[in-house]
Amino acid sequence: GEDVEQSLFLSVREGDSSVINCTYTDSSSTYLYWYKQEPGAGLQLLTYIFSNMDMKQDQRLTVLLNKKDKHLSLRIADTQTGDSAIYFCALMNTGFQKLVFGTGTRLLVSP
Amino acid sequence: GAGVSQSPSNKVTEKGKDVELRCDPISGHTALYWYRQSLGQGLEFLIYFQGNSAPDKSGLPSDRFSAERTGGSVSTLTIQRTQQEDSAVYLCASSSAGGGPDTQYFGPGTRLTVL
Repeated sequence: GEDVEQSLFLSVREGDSSVINCTYTDSSSTYLYWYKQEPGAGLQLLTYIFSNMDMKQDQRLTVLLNKKDKHLSLRIADTQTGDSAIYFCALMNTGFQKLVFGTGTRLLVSP
Repeated sequence: GAGVSQSPSNKVTEKGKDVELRCDPISGHTALYWYRQSLGQGLEFLIYFQGNSAPDKSGLPSDRFSAERTGGSVSTLTIQRTQQEDSAVYLCASSSAGGGPDTQYFGPGTRLTVL
């Protein structure tokens, strides 16, 4: 099955940019998502990108997709302490309704 | 309601007991999903309901797990003869049409602890 990997931990200072990376094995993924999970809360969709796109920008968030290398990244500009959370990438194939999640990256933003 | 709700928020049970977890999706959403989040396995898909179609049960880990969705709304996930490895957070999500970029909205989850 699909294998989706993320680095476990990222620590940044407030005001810096954060880049969270995700690598995957199944090139047929059609939709690629980023979710945020805060302690004790469910998953919140941040943004998504179609596989025919290379980049998507949404306010402080920039998603980059390199299909050749099967690499997805999420850049958070001007990171705030409120951005501290676990971030999951998730993939979906056309015709298959389930999301396949990455291992999650814990982002810690220090003042 | 405003979002997906799940109950109970926490459940502690003894090994061998049956448990039922409930999910109330967003009103009008036709698609409903169950996922499991555990330390060892990360976030895993369990089952997917779409309207009146047969559910996709491909993620259920064993025949001790079952789920139903009554009247196209509320769903119940049942785990029979619970085992310690069933301890996890069970997350429910719903979406308006199912699949594609239709956002899956997640509930806060039920934390299940099997002693």
